[in-house]
Amino acid sequence: EAQVTQNPRYLITVTGKKLTVTCSQNMNHEYMSWYRQDPGLGLRQIYYSMNVEVTDKGDVPEGYKVSRKEKRNFPLILESPSPNQTSLYFCASSFFARETQYFGPGTRLLVL
Amino acid sequence: DAKTTQPPSMDCAEGRAANLPCNHSTISGNEYVYWYRQIHSQGPQYIIHGLKNNETNEMASLIITEDRKSSTLILPHATLRDTAVYYCIVILRGGNTPLVFGKGTRLSVIA
Repeated sequence: EAQVTQNPRYLITVTGKKLTVTCSQNMNHEYMSWYRQDPGLGLRQIYYSMNVEVTDKGDVPEGYKVSRKEKRNFPLILESPSPNQTSLYFCASSFFARETQYFGPGTRLLVL
Repeated sequence: DAKTTQPPSMDCAEGRAANLPCNHSTISGNEYVYWYRQIHSQGPQYIIHGLKNNETNEMASLIITEDRKSSTLILPHATLRDTAVYYCIVILRGGNTPLVFGKGTRLSVIA
């Protein structure tokens, strides 16, 4: 089944404790991205990747890192999480940047 | 990308057709109309897209007016599981600027 998977789905952590949210797609998509969704602010893009080893900042990249070592995986790294990064996170993929996007199920993160 | 305007909320009786409007009066000739939906806190789900012609798939139909300034997403027989926020987005393909989802229409299907 074609899908985008994210892990973990739910995460509670404390300020400053490094964490990684994984994202994987099995559709051989070139383009992958991370969004965060907050009440009243809608979906905002954090980082995106056009292909392996090619990443770039989205609208709200501060406090996040990404890597794209393999085509199928695009992990989101929070080196020192802070409470303002409490949010619902979505990974998405597509063949090209502005084609049909396929979203993962979401990761709900709470930073205490 | 052209801006879109959608009503903030709509109700629909279960089993009836849900018609969700979207205004995109500044759309240019090579911009596509896409529809996604988001069922409570799940990942947004692609529904359908079109350029000029009406489109239909297993989920919905998309009717685009001849002048392309507006469109309607039709769910022919709405069920309770269609309760979601529906986003209409106009997209110029190419480039890498992020998509802007806006606030969408919250559709409530009522038994």
